[in-house]
Order: sequence, then structure tokens, then C-alpha cells
Amino acid sequence: DTGVSQNPRHKITKRGQNVTFRCDPISEHNRLYWYRQTLGQGPEFLTYFQNEAQLEKSRLLSDRFSAERPKGSFSTLEIQRTEQGDSAMYLCASSSVGGYQIKSSYEQYFGPGTRLTVT
Amino acid sequence: AQSVTQPDIHITVSEGASLELRCNYSYGATPYLFWYVQSPGQGLQLLLKYFSGDTLVQGIKGFEAEFKRSQSSFNLRKPSVHWSDAAEYFCAVGGMEYGNKLVFGAGTILRVKS
Repeated sequence: DTGVSQNPRHKITKRGQNVTFRCDPISEHNRLYWYRQTLGQGPEFLTYFQNEAQLEKSRLLSDRFSAERPKGSFSTLEIQRTEQGDSAMYLCASSSVGGYQIKSSYEQYFGPGTRLTVT
Repeated sequence: AQSVTQPDIHITVSEGASLELRCNYSYGATPYLFWYVQSPGQGLQLLLKYFSGDTLVQGIKGFEAEFKRSQSSFNLRKPSVHWSDAAEYFCAVGGMEYGNKLVFGAGTILRVKS
């Protein structure tokens, strides 16, 4: 088990450019979450997938943000027309849920994050 | 109102001293409670979790936490801090009242002095 991996680890981009991040969850986990963390704050929920279905999106996820998990394995998070306010650490987490064991879905394991700097 | 409150932004303790980090949650009849640790530039590592049952839970790296329903608290403790414990610690809550996600506190930065 190699844990959750994210790429790239760091991304510097100019305002107005598009960026895409990738997350590979723990292989047997069927839930995948994206969070955003700004300096001095805890992570804030953005969206989550169960298998390939995107089941919930936060109001933080503006229409410039889109996330996919096409085959229920890895996920991508794309930000279009980046703004300086998008500068943050983007964290991916995964968990497993099955049957009535809903509580296990909350035991989330995080990747190292992608730090985005928009100049 | 914040769902999860960590009242201490920074805490400094001497190496070998005991540690307690405070966490309070706002609501939830059956909250699921977690502590994570984050080293600079890194992701979050799960220290321990509480779902139900025994209110004193043991975690990794010698940490423990106690759930007190009457106080809506889930404080993290360690009897003897090591210099390598210096990091930022986050309390998180999940459960039906919070939807399908974890809600995090703002974190407490722990500094360890030798």
C-alpha cells in the first residue's frame, strides 16, 4: 500500500492560466475527496466522489473548478482562469465505504498535497 | 459559528513535558472525531479516531484523546513530548450532521523547546 499520491507537489502559474492536479487514492478505497487549505486554516471540503460519481460539491467550488474521476480510480482537479485567490494547498484524501459501514468513510487518508501559487 | 474550535493557535512546551491540545465541536449527537498532524509542507497524517465506545482512545506516536460529550470536547494528550512532535495539529469532526465530509478546526501549532 503506497498511500495517497498527488502530482505535482508544487505548481506556480500566472493568473489566467489553467492548471490540473492529479490524485491517486489508496487502491481499495472507493471514496475520494478534495480539500483546499489556505495559510493558517484547516482544510476545507471541496468535493467528493464515490467510485466515478461526483456526489457532492461545496459552494467553494466555483464554476472555474472541475473535478473528474473517470474510471473510479485516479482523479483530476482542474482550475480554469486561475486567480491569485486560488493560491492554496490542494489536498486529496481517500476512504472506503461499503454496505452500512458509513462511519468508515470518515476515516480519510490524505496525500501530501499540491501547493499552488498564482502570480 | 465554527463547527470545530481549537482555541490555541500556538502552544510551546519543553521537551519531556506533558501536552494537551484542546478541541471543541459545536453539534452532533454522535460525532466522529479525529486528530491529524501536519508537518511543514506535508499532508495530514491520522493520529487517532473516535467513533463510539470507550471515550479514551489511543493513537500512534504515544498520543491519546478523550471524548467528553458533556463538554463537546475531544482533547489530545501526550505524557512526554519529543522534539519531533513539533508540527501543526488539526481536530476534525464528521457524522450525519456534517454531511459526507470532515470539518476541520483551524489548527494548533506546537513548538517544542529543548
